[in-house]
Amino acid sequence: GAGVSQSPSNKVTEKGKDVELRCDPISGHTALYWYRQRLGQGLEFLIYFQGNSAPDKSGLPSDRFSAERTGESVSTLTIQRTQQEDSAVYLCASSAPGYEQYFGPGTRLTVT
Amino acid sequence: AQTVTQSQPEMSVQEAETVTLSCTYDTSENNYYLFWYKQPPSRQMILVIRQEAYKQQNATENRFSVNFQKAAKSFSLKISDSQLGDTAMYFCAFRINAGGTSYGKLTFGQGTILTVHP
Repeated sequence: GAGVSQSPSNKVTEKGKDVELRCDPISGHTALYWYRQRLGQGLEFLIYFQGNSAPDKSGLPSDRFSAERTGESVSTLTIQRTQQEDSAVYLCASSAPGYEQYFGPGTRLTVT
Repeated sequence: AQTVTQSQPEMSVQEAETVTLSCTYDTSENNYYLFWYKQPPSRQMILVIRQEAYKQQNATENRFSVNFQKAAKSFSLKISDSQLGDTAMYFCAFRINAGGTSYGKLTFGQGTILTVHP
């Protein structure tokens, strides 16, 4: 079946603009995760969804970052008033509870 | 809080030889999983191997094996018969095996860039 997909693949935006990043998880996966990967670094956890609720938002770096999920499908990560330090690859993963996480290809965000 | 440390930013190996990537972690939990992920230039994270903390036997997947030392909190990855396609960034990761709000959340190390030379 289809894997995790993310769009856009690349996004270039001007400082101060808002951006929306989309994640389509594998069908039937109730858990969804967002991670951020800065250049040459490991992945940092941002937020976890179980269904459409987010029991763990502890990794969101500031109130400019928010995310939502529609049922057990699509999730959108929104970054308001983007800053240059937001430049990174944003990765989404989905899983069935207790099983392995399958990652999408990521969105590379560049803030100029 | 859990931390994962990979002390080797870069490693290189000749094709067909063996290489070992190091990882240490810190946790007060007793029930957890450890993983090695591979990230080639395509950015796609690929699970290489998984180890359950309650299992004493080291996990093996074809050319990939781990040396899990629970008391020392060490989890190294050995790649045998290295191939050009093994060139990638490798991440060690940790996950608690429990319910609650942290369920499933992965904590990653900083990564090791592995280059396999022909």
